[in-house]
Amino acid sequence: ILNVEQSPQSLHVQEGDSTNFTCSFPSSNFYALHWYRWETAKSPEALFVMTLNGDEKKKGRISATLNTKEGYSYLYIKGSQPEDSATYLCALAGGTSYGKLTFGQGTILTVHP
Amino acid sequence: SQTIHQWPATLVQPVGSPLSLECTVEGTSNPNLYWYRQAAGRGLQLLFYSVGIGQISSEVPQNLSASRPQDRQFILSSKKLLLSDSGFYLCAWKRGPSSGNTIYFGEGSWLTVV
Repeated sequence: ILNVEQSPQSLHVQEGDSTNFTCSFPSSNFYALHWYRWETAKSPEALFVMTLNGDEKKKGRISATLNTKEGYSYLYIKGSQPEDSATYLCALAGGTSYGKLTFGQGTILTVHP
Repeated sequence: SQTIHQWPATLVQPVGSPLSLECTVEGTSNPNLYWYRQAAGRGLQLLFYSVGIGQISSEVPQNLSASRPQDRQFILSSKKLLLSDSGFYLCAWKRGPSSGNTIYFGEGSWLTVV
């Protein structure tokens, strides 16, 4: 069983603050690391899929890095806005070809105006 | 473009009643299909996946079953619901076999077993 841990569990920031959170995973049997943004009453929205050690990906004010050797990924949000409030999920895809994902519990981000 | 739909969106069912959640994908062929569940206070857990018509793999022992009668249709069922089946169910699809491909989720179905 793959164990994916996210921290912190929840985070409150002020509008304009930059923030980051962590996803930790076992470095063995790694294939890909997925990040999703999940707003209440909506379906999870894919942010990034990362496969290579040292990968850095960016989408607007959101970026992510990946370290497969030590088993962690960071998600950064620059200049947080209230609309960034959501649960951010990371998920690990192991070394199979079926795309099965093991999700972390998520980090709940609340951005206060 | 590809779309995924699942229904019903909300369901309240008595213990012991049957269940059927349906999911369809449009705009692609031979997708990998998945059913995930989020139970209260827990993360998303993979229940079933399918790589083709009639091919179902179960990830966890449970009271549920899945079927794929057509290429782009995935159904989650139960003959007799338990209270512990309550949760938020998400259908998802992915193009091709690579684990590096993005997985896209449906809108979700809230199931409350009473």
